[in-house]
Amino acid sequence: TQLLEQSPQFLSIQEGENLTVYCNSSSVFSSLQWYRQEPGEGPVLLVTVVTGGEVKKLKRLTFQFGDARKDSSLHITAAQPGDTGLYLCAGAPTGGGNKLTFGTGTQLKVEL
Amino acid sequence: KAGVTQTPRYLIKTRGQQVTLSCSPISGHRSVSWYQQTPGQGLQFLFEYFSETQRNKGNFPGRFSGRQFSNSRSEMNVSTLELGDSALYLCASSLAGGFTEAFFGQGTRLTVV
Repeated sequence: TQLLEQSPQFLSIQEGENLTVYCNSSSVFSSLQWYRQEPGEGPVLLVTVVTGGEVKKLKRLTFQFGDARKDSSLHITAAQPGDTGLYLCAGAPTGGGNKLTFGTGTQLKVEL
Repeated sequence: KAGVTQTPRYLIKTRGQQVTLSCSPISGHRSVSWYQQTPGQGLQFLFEYFSETQRNKGNFPGRFSGRQFSNSRSEMNVSTLELGDSALYLCASSLAGGFTEAFFGQGTRLTVV
């Protein structure tokens, strides 16, 4: 069974601070996606990383896929209250198909 | 381009009843996956349908079933509801059968009383 552990589980920071969320597994994934979810809503796709070692930047968000394609990180620079939400990583299987394995989630709260 | 549409948004059912949830994928997307989200277990994969065939199945009892129609719309059914089935049920739409990015609907919040 593939498992994805995220850390930290909860994060409460002040506006303007930087943070990093980690997503780790002992399994290899063909790609990894990051989502943000608001209460009562479905997850919204932020980015997909495919190649080991890949780094993608989306404004203040930087995503990295580990060289061995087993782990990933999300770094937010100068966090804003609008970044508040549940961040989820999700790994796609190496054998194909759309069965995503989701991480345990990181609940981020950014306060003024 | 319309997103993934799930209906209904909210449902309240009694233990022992059955329920059917609907999902309309993004136009042109042929793969539909279903997930259950609860505070204790997080997001768990239920099943995936592609071209009207179930391709993958998660570790859920047989009370959970689904189907996909020729227009790619999908339904999932839960029979003999239990209190523990209370959850947010999410549908994800993907372009093709091999892995492609998954786009989620807003979900159906099911409460079993």
